[in-house]
Amino acid sequence: DTGVSQNPRHKITKRGQNVTFRCDPISEHNRLYWYRQTLGQGPEFLTYFQNEAQLEKSRLLSDRFSAERPKGSFSTLEIQRTEQGDSAMYLCASSHGTLHADTQYFGPGTRLTVL
Amino acid sequence: KNEVEQSPQNLTAQEGEFITINCSYSVGISALHWLQQHPGGGIVSLFMLSSGKKKHGRLIATINIQEKHSSLHITASHPRDSAVYICAVLNSGGGADGLTFGKGTHLIIQP
Repeated sequence: DTGVSQNPRHKITKRGQNVTFRCDPISEHNRLYWYRQTLGQGPEFLTYFQNEAQLEKSRLLSDRFSAERPKGSFSTLEIQRTEQGDSAMYLCASSHGTLHADTQYFGPGTRLTVL
Repeated sequence: KNEVEQSPQNLTAQEGEFITINCSYSVGISALHWLQQHPGGGIVSLFMLSSGKKKHGRLIATINIQEKHSSLHITASHPRDSAVYICAVLNSGGGADGLTFGKGTHLIIQP
């Protein structure tokens, strides 16, 4: 257990539905990252927050995806109008420093299946 | 975008064997991470390297910046080392979008 928690751990939804995932980072960590991992691939960067500010988004993050970190603590990732291609493991990670090279602590992930 | 290649993709070895996993990348980096991912998704950071060599217990990680290559070694391998090992690099001067992960090496250590 790294201290980063994610909920739910699994989510099965029908195409077209909206889903929301939550990440609770290690409490003193100011950076929070979201990644997506599909089967047999490494994680892909989606977006990151420095405290409550969303500073960078990947081009992979379509308009259907939105992320928030309202008080600089927990974060949510919402996917609207889900598509089958959204099926993946969504990983959250947090870090204490101000550099992307700093060690990140990963949560267990939320596995999304879109039927 | 950095191209990160890991080899081998799959490796099965007997307990006690010396294990080497390789990572090559195409563009200059400021840091390289080795990560361990167990079944079910949990990812643990093993090392962060920007030069030279690091050792932690039975794990050793090396990086050659000029050759754009890193290796992860496991000495006296044990079945509990069975996991996917992922190499991740951060492009020099890049933002978070410069974080690129390899596909991972699936390691199985048989008793």
